Amino acid sequence: NAGVMQNPRHLVRRRGQEARLRCSPMKGHSHVYWYRQLPEEGLKFMVYLQKENIIDESGMPKERFSAEFPKEGPSILRIQQVVRGDSAAYFCASSPAGQNTEAFFGQGTRLTVV
Amino acid sequence: EDQVTQSPEALRLQEGESSSLNCSYTVSGLRGLFWYRQDPGKGPEFLFTLYSAGEEKEKERLKATLTKKESFLHITAPKPEDSATYLCAVQALNSNSGYALNFGKGTSLLVTP
Repeated sequence: NAGVMQNPRHLVRRRGQEARLRCSPMKGHSHVYWYRQLPEEGLKFMVYLQKENIIDESGMPKERFSAEFPKEGPSILRIQQVVRGDSAAYFCASSPAGQNTEAFFGQGTRLTVV
Repeated sequence: EDQVTQSPEALRLQEGESSSLNCSYTVSGLRGLFWYRQDPGKGPEFLFTLYSAGEEKEKERLKATLTKKESFLHITAPKPEDSATYLCAVQALNSNSGYALNFGKGTSLLVTP
């Protein structure tokens, strides 16, 4: 999974600030998925994107969270006005086109809201 | 609603002591069942994908099997380096989410020398 690059690895934000998490998929992968892992919880799907398109955001909180995957550059998960409950590990995964292919995960961004 | 339940939550084995981890699932049509390994502070590492009941896959000391209701991850003669959290996930046929996976909470495995 070293091919999926996430940065930063650790991010500390004060309540009310914005958090921006970046994900560069593996070379040749055009599908990106964001997951959130809360302490003592399993990984939870948030959003599925292809280049310039949000395909499924059914797992995204309705407010403050947004995601994009522009034609050029990494995918961005943006959290506005962070609260303590947003503290978690956020993982990005990528896969090539096609639904029966394995997704490879990045090392995650650990967000701490103080 | 799709559900994935893993048991036990935690398992402690002595080196060489074989055992199995269980993943029970409820899904309205299975596209695939996936096993991942996750080390502390790291992202999940892909191990296996199983697509149909009766299918088996092996990798070193690990063997994954699948029935219509559950999957087992068998660990034969484990070593301390097998210590990790093992995650099971399912992908539903009727999902609009491409490869989006529904994960269980994992089994934390500790293998002592």
